[in-house]
Amino acid sequence: QVQMVQSGAEVKKPGASVKVSCKISGHTLIEVSMHWVRQAPGKGLEWMGGFDPEDREIIYAQKFQGRVTMTEDTSTNTAYMELSSLRSEDTAVYYCTTLKYYYDSSADRENWFDPWGQGTLVTVSS
Amino acid sequence: DIVLTQSPGTLSLSPGERATLSCRASQSISSSYLAWYQQKPGQAPRLLIFGASSRATGIPDRFSGSGSGTDFTLTISRLEPEDFAVYYCQQYGSSPLVTFGPGTKVDIK
Repeated sequence: QVQMVQSGAEVKKPGASVKVSCKISGHTLIEVSMHWVRQAPGKGLEWMGGFDPEDREIIYAQKFQGRVTMTEDTSTNTAYMELSSLRSEDTAVYYCTTLKYYYDSSADRENWFDPWGQGTLVTVSS
Repeated sequence: DIVLTQSPGTLSLSPGERATLSCRASQSISSSYLAWYQQKPGQAPRLLIFGASSRATGIPDRFSGSGSGTDFTLTISRLEPEDFAVYYCQQYGSSPLVTFGPGTKVDIK
């Protein structure tokens, strides 16, 4: 079973960048498809992007394209999400999660996120 | 683009009652793409259901999922005290690749 431990809380000024890490154990990064989801205070879940195993590439949500970069260090089994040009609206808890999938009897791919990291609070404030 | 709408926004029920949560997609999606998550305050989301109706490992059988096309339902047959939480539906596979619904809060009446 994959386990994930994320880096600690960050406080950043508007315009700065933040890099959140997610270290996995129980599997190697090569074996999983890592995704990132964020949640602003009191709000719902918002997908930012991740590795799609069918396209075999990282796909970013349109909202974050140009501002987010997701990378992996396979030597340390650690995934990273860097968000630049931070603004107050980026204040949120950022989660890493792994995509699981399964081809059902109709050859449709069932997809779900499990497990999730514990979350990293990023606060953007002047 | 696929938009997921959940209703009601808040469901106030008592322990032992049945909860029925709705998730509606703006366009038809494969049931394979639909998952449900539970989230409690201060915690990460927890997978409940994938493929619209398959329970995840360790999820009690009082949780069940159903639906197809544009209408999906999460049912909690008899609410336990630990079930009061926020529930999100999510699709992965249609455009945009991943969408979450806004959530339904199940709180104690």
